[in-house]
Amino acid sequence: QKEVEQNSGPLSVPEGAIASLNCTYSDRGSQSFFWYRQYSGKSPELIMSIYSNGDKEDGRFTAQLNKASQYVSLLIRDSQPSDSATYLCAGGTGGFKTIFGAGTRLFVKA
Amino acid sequence: NAGVMQNPRHLVRRRGQEARLRCSPMKGHSHVYWYRQLPEEGLKFMVYLQKENIIDESGMPKERFSAEFPKEGPSILRIQQVVRGDSAAYFCASSPRISWKDTKSSGANVLTFGAGSRLTVL
Repeated sequence: QKEVEQNSGPLSVPEGAIASLNCTYSDRGSQSFFWYRQYSGKSPELIMSIYSNGDKEDGRFTAQLNKASQYVSLLIRDSQPSDSATYLCAGGTGGFKTIFGAGTRLFVKA
Repeated sequence: NAGVMQNPRHLVRRRGQEARLRCSPMKGHSHVYWYRQLPEEGLKFMVYLQKENIIDESGMPKERFSAEFPKEGPSILRIQQVVRGDSAAYFCASSPRISWKDTKSSGANVLTFGAGSRLTVL
């Protein structure tokens, strides 16, 4: 079973701090990785996509991919209370299927 | 510029009844995916469809569940003889069509999700 693993949390950080979310995946054939944010009772929305080893930055968000270690991370700088949500890591397997982790709950304390 | 449209948003059924959930993809999107989410859990892949074709149904339970995406109209996820364990949020997502050569670099499409259909089985 190809899986994406995340620490379920909750992860609690103070406002203004850096939140670090981590994810590992089992399918070495996965070539695309995504971070989605899901507020309680809402649907997931895409934050970041990353396809190559290294870092990808978009505003306060930085995604990091290490294919050798099968590891993906998301850093949120200057965390805000509005960032409090569940963050879902996802990996694209062969044939367009996207597999999601269970999600990490993030709380940003004001 | 309508996004992914799902209905009904909330559905209540008694055990043994049928549930039908509908999904219309974003304009220009030809791929539809169904995911199930239990409370406090992640999204579980169920099925991936294109128009008139089921591409991957490896996540669908073998019995009582079926999905279709007809040439005309929305995609439908059908659950027959519902049981309490079917109570969950069912999310539909869509993505645009990409060429096979692009899959080597991207692997999978970026998904746009609908608001979800929340099924409660009494």
